[in-house]
Amino acid sequence: DAGVIQSPRHEVTEMGQEVTLRCKPISGHNSLFWYRQTMMRGLELLIYFNNNVPIDDSGMPEDRFSAKMPNASFSTLKIQPSEPRDSAVYFCASYDSINEKLFFGSGTQLSVL
Amino acid sequence: GEDVEQSLFLSVREGDSSVINCTYTDSSSTYLYWYKQEPGAGLQLLTYIFSNMDMKQDQRLTVLLNKKDKHLSLRIADTQTGDSAIYFCAENTGSYQKVTFGTGTKLQVIP
Repeated sequence: DAGVIQSPRHEVTEMGQEVTLRCKPISGHNSLFWYRQTMMRGLELLIYFNNNVPIDDSGMPEDRFSAKMPNASFSTLKIQPSEPRDSAVYFCASYDSINEKLFFGSGTQLSVL
Repeated sequence: GEDVEQSLFLSVREGDSSVINCTYTDSSSTYLYWYKQEPGAGLQLLTYIFSNMDMKQDQRLTVLLNKKDKHLSLRIADTQTGDSAIYFCAENTGSYQKVTFGTGTKLQVIP
């Protein structure tokens, strides 16, 4: 298995633009998580899905952020409009409920200028 | 509630043992984990312990769990420069497999 796949690896955009981050979880994992990592705030859980259904989105910072999981093999995190303070590394992770382990993607480094 | 705390920084000399500590608040945690993050990379699962265990050893790594005090530690024996990274403690509360992470401890290994 290729692991959790995120794209793009790096994204540089201008303030006000729409940004879409993509994630393909490991096949067979039924929970998916989006995290954001910054120096100031550490690793923050934004939202997570179980069986494609959003369970808890209380970590989503504001209405500019939205996430979808249309099927078991794909999820997106969208920021519209983006702001410089959204600059961070965004991680997607999927959960192996049989072995009770969480696996991370390599992350998307987002820079909003 | 769920809250995981760690010290932010630890510096050790190569060859010494490193001990990274973590406290958590949710007594219903089923699994506790240690993740390692190297610069520019994602988090990799290093080791984990089930909540009914006190200790787990895996080569140079020893995990100790004190459930009464809600304290978890990771000991790295014979620390190498390649062990320099950020180490995250995390707990699984069992609620839809939600995993909550600590702030991370940056381990610096001095040659």
